[in-house]
Amino acid sequence: EIVLTQSPGTLSLSPGERATLSCRASQSVTSSQLAWYQQKPGQAPRLLIYGASSRATGVPDRFSGSGSGTDFTLTISRLEAEDFAVYYCQQYGRSPPLTFGGGTKVEIK
Amino acid sequence: QLQLQESGPGLVKPSETLSLTCIVSGGSVRSNTNFWGWIRQAPGKGLEWIGSIFSSGNTYYNPSLKSRITLSVDTSKNQFSLKLSSGTAADTAVYYCARHGPVGTLLINWFDSWGQGTLVTVSS
Repeated sequence: EIVLTQSPGTLSLSPGERATLSCRASQSVTSSQLAWYQQKPGQAPRLLIYGASSRATGVPDRFSGSGSGTDFTLTISRLEAEDFAVYYCQQYGRSPPLTFGGGTKVEIK
Repeated sequence: QLQLQESGPGLVKPSETLSLTCIVSGGSVRSNTNFWGWIRQAPGKGLEWIGSIFSSGNTYYNPSLKSRITLSVDTSKNQFSLKLSSGTAADTAVYYCARHGPVGTLLINWFDSWGQGTLVTVSS
């Protein structure tokens, strides 16, 4: 089973700043088969990125994903008010099981 | 627009079976391009994949839960279901149903549409 470790646990930033979130895998993720989700309180997760770098339909271009192998990054170029949320990575390259990271909370500084 | 809605009891007694159904609208579980899955989230915790099913009945289960899970699909009602037996307090969580992205090299992949989730509490 691939274990995904996300860091930092909490990121305190101001609107307009750049957010860089990390997701590290315990084994290489085949063919960059990694996704990112955003979850706001009381809501279901929302798909942002799949295939490590492909934006899902309707996702603003301030969100970008990169990385390969064991190290992946989600970048939010300029934080807007609606971006403060919890973000999860998920790998699907070596499954079952599909696994998720523990999440990074992006909070307003 | 695809919509998924979980339904089922919000309270289950310990040792009993948790049963949930996901009703799909705006799309078809008969689709030959997508698997359908279940994910849960314990209060204040992260996400855990439970299992996924195709319209043919082909399933993938999380090995950690496999002995207790049964997934099924009812194409006539456009819905799919989860049964989790021998419930304990550790099964208390919000349960989500979701659709996988189109099958490609891999049959199960990311989740592109989610239900709103339903809280199931296992308690006497």
